[in-house]
Amino acid sequence: EDQVTQSPEALRLQEGESSSLNCSYTVSGLRGLFWYRQDPGKGPEFLFTLYSAGEEKEKERLKATLTKKESFLHITAPKPEDSATYLCAAESSYKLIFGSGTRLLVRP
Amino acid sequence: GAGVSQTPSNKVTEKGKYVELRCDPISGHTALYWYRQSLGQGPEFLIYFQGTGAADDSGLPNDRFFAVRPEGSVSTLKIQRTERGDSAVYLCASSLNVVETQYFGPGTRLLVL
Repeated sequence: EDQVTQSPEALRLQEGESSSLNCSYTVSGLRGLFWYRQDPGKGPEFLFTLYSAGEEKEKERLKATLTKKESFLHITAPKPEDSATYLCAAESSYKLIFGSGTRLLVRP
Repeated sequence: GAGVSQTPSNKVTEKGKYVELRCDPISGHTALYWYRQSLGQGPEFLIYFQGTGAADDSGLPNDRFFAVRPEGSVSTLKIQRTERGDSAVYLCASSLNVVETQYFGPGTRLLVL
């Protein structure tokens, strides 16, 4: 059965304290691995797509990486405005299979 | 440009009633998707359209749920005989075509009393 698992469920960081979020997947026919950010009461906002093992993408303080079984979202020197839920999704047959997300809180 | 819009933003209904949720995709996007998100969970796929036709409806939980996209643009998700377990946020997404990135709307929060 296709499955996407994210860890940790919740993460509290001090401003400037770097960390990584994990997304492990077991999906047949994987076409791409997606990261979205979701703020309370809002829809998911697209961040990155990764297509092949070894690929990396960066945007401001965020960097996403991909292996054959996992993806990581690295957050460098986070700021309070980075607080949100980060969702990972694997695409198979043109539909997204989401993990439950990691709720990130960055304290000033 | 305008993003995906969904109406209403909130809907409160009583058990057994019929509801319709509307999605306006990004202009020019041919693919449209519906997902459902329960509290503390990631979105779950319901159905997607390529043009006017439902290409995959394997995520619809039962025959009380139905969706249409008659002109290949706006889509309506219809729920008959609502149950309390249908309470969730219903998200719509669109993409230029099925191989492109999906962009999400703000969602409709449905509460069934």
